[in-house]
Amino acid sequence: EPEVTQTPSHQVTQMGQEVILRCVPISNHLYFYWYRQILGQKVEFLVSFYNNEISEKSEIFDDQFSVERPDGSNFTLKIRSTKLEDSAMYFCASSEQRDSYEQYFGPGTRLTVT
Amino acid sequence: GQSLEQPSEVTAVEGAIVQINCTYQTSGFYGLSWYQQHDGGAPTFLSYNALDGLEETGRFSSFLSRSDSYGYLLLQELQMKDSASYFCAVRDLNTGGFKTIFGAGTRLFVKA
Repeated sequence: EPEVTQTPSHQVTQMGQEVILRCVPISNHLYFYWYRQILGQKVEFLVSFYNNEISEKSEIFDDQFSVERPDGSNFTLKIRSTKLEDSAMYFCASSEQRDSYEQYFGPGTRLTVT
Repeated sequence: GQSLEQPSEVTAVEGAIVQINCTYQTSGFYGLSWYQQHDGGAPTFLSYNALDGLEETGRFSSFLSRSDSYGYLLLQELQMKDSASYFCAVRDLNTGGFKTIFGAGTRLFVKA
């Protein structure tokens, strides 16, 4: 069964450093998303992406964040200058169509900023 | 803006039936989804309601009343493996349906 994959599973970085989180969505999916979940809290929407551009972003997704689809398979989230409060689990998700209510989530990348 | 409310935790015994409620406020309702998340795992889609009524998928059912801005997830024949967090989520039509807002989650404990 096709699945969303994410790398790395755990990333430790120092405050102020740049990190890139990588995702490979399901191959025939067209809509991609990033979410974050601080430990013990709810899943928070960051950004959605379609046709090589951002469709919607939340207030969390400020200038420190960017997304890119550098090739036909990868979807990345970059945090330019990490802060302690960026420590969280970051989930990538994809869906086949905009109207598809089912989003398939990857296993997540745990980001720890020290 | 959007907001969702669901109980923080529910406890039930194996074999029982449990209902997890969700009330929502959103300016552009586009459907209510339910996701399951085990500790350390990713959210997994369970069910979706766009129209009023009950949707059944095996042991799980979900109900929606748009007039009451209310829905619930019903889990039957509870098993130990159902112990997890359950999130309701709405999609915001005002943003083209691209933004999904999750509730804070309900932690379900299933006891033997």
